[in-house]
Amino acid sequence: EIVLTQSPGTLSLSPGERATLSCRASQNINNNFLVWYQQKPGQAPRLLVYGASRRAAGIPDRFSGSGSGTDFTLTITRLEPEDFTVYYCQHFGDSPPYTFGQGTKLDIK
Amino acid sequence: EVQLVDSGGGLVKPGGSLRLSCAASGFTFSSYSMLWVRQAPGKGLEWVSSISPNSVSMYYADSLKGRFTISRDNAKDSFYLQMDSLRVEDTAVYYCARQSVEGDYDYVGGTYQYIYYMDVWGKGTTVTVSS
Repeated sequence: EIVLTQSPGTLSLSPGERATLSCRASQNINNNFLVWYQQKPGQAPRLLVYGASRRAAGIPDRFSGSGSGTDFTLTITRLEPEDFTVYYCQHFGDSPPYTFGQGTKLDIK
Repeated sequence: EVQLVDSGGGLVKPGGSLRLSCAASGFTFSSYSMLWVRQAPGKGLEWVSSISPNSVSMYYADSLKGRFTISRDNAKDSFYLQMDSLRVEDTAVYYCARQSVEGDYDYVGGTYQYIYYMDVWGKGTTVTVSS
């Protein structure tokens, strides 16, 4: 089973700054199988990026994904107030289990 | 509008059962694999179960140890999660979700690859297991 470790656990930044969220896999994974979600309190997760770097429909271009092998990154440039919430990465491959990272909380400094 | 509406959650005693439902609309339900994902209070996301479009393949998280059963009714555009022998640790918000897939041709390797993601989610239904 692939284990995903997200860091940092909490990231404190100010609006307008750049956020870099990390997701590290316990072994090499196919880039196509790395997905990022955003979850706001009381809401269902929202798809942001799939295939490591493909932005989902309707997602602003300040969100971008990158990485390969075991190290993947979600970058949010020019943070907006609504971006301060929790982000999860997921390994979504050909077969289960479809594991999630433990999440990174983006806080307003 | 593409939509999933999950329902069926509630309060149940340990050892009891519940059946969650998820009704789909706005897309061709029978063409998609569907999933259940849960989130315990204050915790992260956990994949629970998946079912293929024609119900041939069904998968479960190892932690469930055969207590949950996923099913679907394509004629009703709905799928379900039967939860038996519920435990306190099953307390969570349960989300239904749609699995979408894109194809991508790898010209270097000469192979066709698939990219998976969950792009439509229900709002979640709360299951509380407590005596």
